[in-house]
Amino acid sequence: AQSVTQPDIHITVSEGASLELRCNYSYGATPYLFWYVQSPGQGLQLLLKYFSGDTLVQGIKGFEAEFKRSQSSFNLRKPSVHWSDAAEYFCAVGGYSSASKIIFGSGTRLSIRP
Amino acid sequence: NAGVTQTPKFRILKIGQSMTLQCAQDMNHNYMYWYRQDPGMGLKLIYYSVGAGITDKGEVPNGYNVSRSTTEDFPLRLELAAPSQTSVYFCASRYRDTEAFFGQGTRLTVV
Repeated sequence: AQSVTQPDIHITVSEGASLELRCNYSYGATPYLFWYVQSPGQGLQLLLKYFSGDTLVQGIKGFEAEFKRSQSSFNLRKPSVHWSDAAEYFCAVGGYSSASKIIFGSGTRLSIRP
Repeated sequence: NAGVTQTPKFRILKIGQSMTLQCAQDMNHNYMYWYRQDPGMGLKLIYYSVGAGITDKGEVPNGYNVSRSTTEDFPLRLELAAPSQTSVYFCASRYRDTEAFFGQGTRLTVV
């Protein structure tokens, strides 16, 4: 069955520090993987996506993620966080099939320490 | 391009009432989705559709119904509202195997 695990419910990092948010997925075939960000009271914005090819993908706002098939992981990274990065981050998995669902993880809330 | 439009933005229902959450997209996307978001629970898939006339259940379909008579519209129906359906509802659409585009959400409270 399709599923996503984000093991960290809440992370606090200092402004300027590096960030890594973890995501593990379960999917029976080659997955499509996504990271979305949600600011308080807002909708969801796509940060980046992986469909195929280079396993290190670059996204908006200086974020990147690496697909590791052997570990079923798609961790999100940023070398230096800004106060404006405080938000909820969601990892999601879909697939190639024509009836493809997109299933989300439970999210990681990121707080930034001044 | 308006993208994905959800109406209403806010609604308060009494237990047992019915309502329809509207979702429309103008991107000619064939896939559409309904999610609910509860605090700390992420987004749970309620129903989805791969094209007009085709719908299927997601992770949490109980208490909801959908229809897809056109490519553009994908309304979500709550027949007998219950407090457990208090949530924020998001509609999304995508074209084949691309990322999903989300509406701004409908905040529903059942009292």
